[in-house]
Amino acid sequence: DQQVKQNSPSLSVQEGRISILNCDYTNSMFDYFLWYKKYPAEGPTFLISISSIKDKNEDGRFTVFLNKSAKHLSLHIVPSQPGDSAVYFCAATLDKFYFGSGTKLNVKP
Amino acid sequence: DTGVSQNPRHKITKRGQNVTFRCDPISEHNRLYWYRQTLGQGPEFLTYFQNEAQLEKSRLLSDRFSAERPKGSFSTLEIQRTEQGDSAMYLCASSLGRDPEQFFGPGTRLTVL
Repeated sequence: DQQVKQNSPSLSVQEGRISILNCDYTNSMFDYFLWYKKYPAEGPTFLISISSIKDKNEDGRFTVFLNKSAKHLSLHIVPSQPGDSAVYFCAATLDKFYFGSGTKLNVKP
Repeated sequence: DTGVSQNPRHKITKRGQNVTFRCDPISEHNRLYWYRQTLGQGPEFLTYFQNEAQLEKSRLLSDRFSAERPKGSFSTLEIQRTEQGDSAMYLCASSLGRDPEQFFGPGTRLTVL
């Protein structure tokens, strides 16, 4: 059972524009949501998180929005840079982590 | 602090052989997780330890898989009688208590021929 879903396998954005990556989940008991970035041949690296009691968390160019009624979260990257090109995984946690299948972001110069 | 390390980085083996992977977590982290990742998928939870105690195992972890963390520091993941379907990236992560942020190692890529 896939409790965390990323329905867009890829996204292409022009440098300087906004990137919006989406994630849906099914379990309303999840207490934290996180975004990880992964480059080829490396493990995922933590990007930003949000507690289930909040609806927004911002860290520099990265903002995560949580809509609990829709069981949906999104990651906004503004402005997008070519170095942001990677696979982005959303994850939800309830002791253990549940990951989405990832969205490959390509930021074109 | 050098982060989470995993050895070997790559392993090629023949079907039916046993393989063992090692994970060294960040030194003060008491939680250690193992995940498996296949192409086009996100990491799938396999098992986790709090100190030396194995607290949960996924149904994905068949009887051929065993994990240990004998002294609450490094961990090993052994796969016996490997099958081609075991080919995947095996990721280890560690965290401090229930801190939601997990730090991942670079992974061990297993190829079963």
